[in-house]
Amino acid sequence: SQQGEEDPQALSIQEGENATMNCSYKTSINNLQWYRQNSGRGLVHLILIRSNEREKHSGRLRVTLDTSKKSSSLLITASRAADTASYFCATEQNRDDKIIFGKGTRLHILP
Amino acid sequence: NAGVTQTPKFQVLKTGQSMTLQCAQDMNHEYMSWYRQDPGMGLRLIHYSVGAGITDQGEVPNGYNVSRSTTEDFPLRLLSAAPSQTSVYFCASSYSIGSPRETQYFGPGTRLLVL
Repeated sequence: SQQGEEDPQALSIQEGENATMNCSYKTSINNLQWYRQNSGRGLVHLILIRSNEREKHSGRLRVTLDTSKKSSSLLITASRAADTASYFCATEQNRDDKIIFGKGTRLHILP
Repeated sequence: NAGVTQTPKFQVLKTGQSMTLQCAQDMNHEYMSWYRQDPGMGLRLIHYSVGAGITDQGEVPNGYNVSRSTTEDFPLRLLSAAPSQTSVYFCASSYSIGSPRETQYFGPGTRLLVL
């Protein structure tokens, strides 16, 4: 089964609102990454947070990591139409070199 | 830099045919991987490689072979295509200097249809 599970599966919000997506995982990790995928395109890296970090910011993105709960959240502030995409978390497992993705959250920003 | 390139972009196969999906990167990345993406399933890891001459299985390796004779290339071979292998295939690469590993760079994908 897949390592990461995003929640919710789909999210629709009004432009300007904040969007929060969550990711839970099962095994110990070295780091957790978030990626964005526009429809029919390849994935684009957004942000990486290491296992010894608790929070990280990049522009309008804020990522938190709680290793005790094996969970992470991605917050996109002041959402824009261009943020409409699917968002995936990916975990690098510390027992091997695998990078495993979750099933993703489909985000739709309404005008 | 061209980044990660994949060929072909589209392919139609008949059940039982074999083919090779090509992946190349010009960033001198040690780590390369193949994923397949199916609707509602996210990306699932097929095979990966931490360097030339080293490959290992991912989550869904059955029906696929890989080799890594050079740092730049990481081809994925379908031995005998089945309709269940209809999917979009993504190749990715990244540096692999100790741990944690840096971000992965993805190719544009190959859409495969097996009839």
